[in-house]
Amino acid sequence: SQQGEEDPQALSIQEGENATMNCSYKTSINNLQWYRQNSGRGLVHLILIRSNEREKHSGRLRVTLDTSKKSSSLLITASRAADTASYFCATVRNSGNTPLVFGKGTRLSVIA
Amino acid sequence: EPEVTQTPSHQVTQMGQEVILRCVPISNHLYFYWYRQILGQKVEFLVSFYNNEISEKSEIFDDQFSVERPDGSNFTLKIRSTKLEDSAMYFCASRPGQGIGEQFFGPGTRLTVL
Repeated sequence: SQQGEEDPQALSIQEGENATMNCSYKTSINNLQWYRQNSGRGLVHLILIRSNEREKHSGRLRVTLDTSKKSSSLLITASRAADTASYFCATVRNSGNTPLVFGKGTRLSVIA
Repeated sequence: EPEVTQTPSHQVTQMGQEVILRCVPISNHLYFYWYRQILGQKVEFLVSFYNNEISEKSEIFDDQFSVERPDGSNFTLKIRSTKLEDSAMYFCASRPGQGIGEQFFGPGTRLTVL
């Protein structure tokens, strides 16, 4: 089964630094999405990248997708303490009503 | 801004009891999902629902689980006879329609089975 696997599992950085999280998956996908989860809360969608896209930006977020390596990265620039959360990649197999398949997540701590 | 709501926020039950977790998806959404997250682990898909029927379910979603959209607004997950290993956060999600797109998640219900 396809699975997103993030690394690192945990990342601790200083405020103002950039944070990079990586995700790998196993099978072909239609799109890949990144979600954020604050401790004990629901998931919030951050950004979606389609399989025919290589890079996408949204504010301080930059996502890349390499389908040949079956990997994606999420870069958060100029991090803030409020960015402290868990970040999950989730893959979608096709464009129909298919579920998200989540990775294990990266726990990001941004120290003020 | 419309949001997915879930009740209760926390449910404590005894092993073997039935529980019903409730969700109100965003009103014009057509696709509904349940996911669960055992503490410290990744979010796992349980079931998807469209046009008043299950469209896909995972191995986790066995005969002890059922879903229903009883009145056009609520979307419920029933666990018939809870086990200790059912303890988890349960998330409801919805999305508008066909094609790709984000899913909108509720805040979750924490289920504790004693």
